[in-house]
Amino acid sequence: EVQLVESGGGLVQPGGSLRLSCAASGFTLSSYWMSWVRQAPGKGLEWVANIKQDGSEKYYVDSVKGRFTISRDNANNSLYLQMNSLRAEDTAVYYCTRTWTQLWPPDYWGQGTLVTVSS
Amino acid sequence: DIVMTQSPDSLAVSLGERATINCKSSQSVLYSSNNKNYLAWYQQKPGQPPRLLIYWASTRESGVPDRFSGSGSGTDFTLTISSLQAEDVAVYYCQQYYSTPFTFGPGTKVDIK
Repeated sequence: EVQLVESGGGLVQPGGSLRLSCAASGFTLSSYWMSWVRQAPGKGLEWVANIKQDGSEKYYVDSVKGRFTISRDNANNSLYLQMNSLRAEDTAVYYCTRTWTQLWPPDYWGQGTLVTVSS
Repeated sequence: DIVMTQSPDSLAVSLGERATINCKSSQSVLYSSNNKNYLAWYQQKPGQPPRLLIYWASTRESGVPDRFSGSGSGTDFTLTISSLQAEDVAVYYCQQYYSTPFTFGPGTKVDIK
């Protein structure tokens, strides 16, 4: 059974940092592109970033470029999102998702981890 | 960036009746090389992550009931629930995966009348 389990969320002050993790199981992580999608409380979905199977290509939404870094460790079946210089508008549930290729919609989603940026 | 819009914002339909949701993209999401529309539909119930329903605009994901169907091409798309069931109460989102950033529509909330 495919499972994606996010962790690392929490309360952080503006300007602070957090590192989200996603533990993947039930499939071979190295065969898939992976991405992060977020959802602010009571709002819609926003695609944040994705990463190629070997980590050689990464893409970001403009609002996080230069502040967030997506990475992966296929040997340990893990996806990461390093978030720096956090802002109030980054407050959201962050979902880890799996896609077959870059140009493919996410077919599996984790349950999400909540990041709250507030003083 | 490709902007996705949806209409209506919400709708209430009687059980067993048809529900229709529209999605429009600011530019075509049809790749001429393979004649595929890079458009997906998701269902999200409260407290749950989104669930992929439809991709390539009209291909149903495995396990999705056949009362859900997608249609359209280019910039205009439709999700149809042919006979609304109580378990279909949710918010529905369209998404383009034609080019990054892979943008979503704002969502359409479906309720029972």
